[in-house]
Amino acid sequence: AQSVAQPEDQVNVAEGNPLTVKCTYSVSGNPYLFWYVQYPNRGLQFLLKYITGDNLVKGSYGFEAEFNKSQTSFHLKKPSALVSDSALYFCAAHNYGQNFVFGPGTRLSVLP
Amino acid sequence: ETGVTQSPTHLIKTRGQQVTLRCSSQSGHNTVSWYQQALGQGPQFIFQYYREEENGRGNFPPRFSGLQFPNYSSELNVNALELDDSALYLCASSLTSRSGHNEQFFGPGTRLTVL
Repeated sequence: AQSVAQPEDQVNVAEGNPLTVKCTYSVSGNPYLFWYVQYPNRGLQFLLKYITGDNLVKGSYGFEAEFNKSQTSFHLKKPSALVSDSALYFCAAHNYGQNFVFGPGTRLSVLP
Repeated sequence: ETGVTQSPTHLIKTRGQQVTLRCSSQSGHNTVSWYQQALGQGPQFIFQYYREEENGRGNFPPRFSGLQFPNYSSELNVNALELDDSALYLCASSLTSRSGHNEQFFGPGTRLTVL
């Protein structure tokens, strides 16, 4: 079965410090990988995606993600966290002709 | 904003009732997917509609059904509501192309509470 794992339920980081939100996937083939963010009482907002090419993907709001095929990981990163980055983050994988599979989510809290 | 709208925003129903949720897709998109997001969990795929036909289904019973209209808007219908159906229901629209890459754009969701 295809799955996406986010091993941390919660990540706490001080404002201004770098942040990492982890994601690993178990999906056949060469999946497309995505990160979405969800603010309270809102739908999911697209951050970035990996399709092919450079393993470091840059996205919205200063976020980036590093694809590592050998480790089947796609960790989300930001060099300097903001309090406004506090939200729920979801990693997702998708293969051609198949459905999106989402991870369980990681709650990021950026402390002032 | 993604341009994907959902209605209603909130809904309260009782067990055994039926509910219809609506979604208007982003302009130019031909595919709509529906997800159920229970509290504290990630979205779970319910089904997808492409060109008015079901194009994939997750592990949900037949009492979850849907429609897609010629303008690509969509409905999700749930019959015989159960308490566990209480969740945020998300609609996502996308453009299905030959490349198979269909980045999804999500609506704000409908929060359904079943009492």
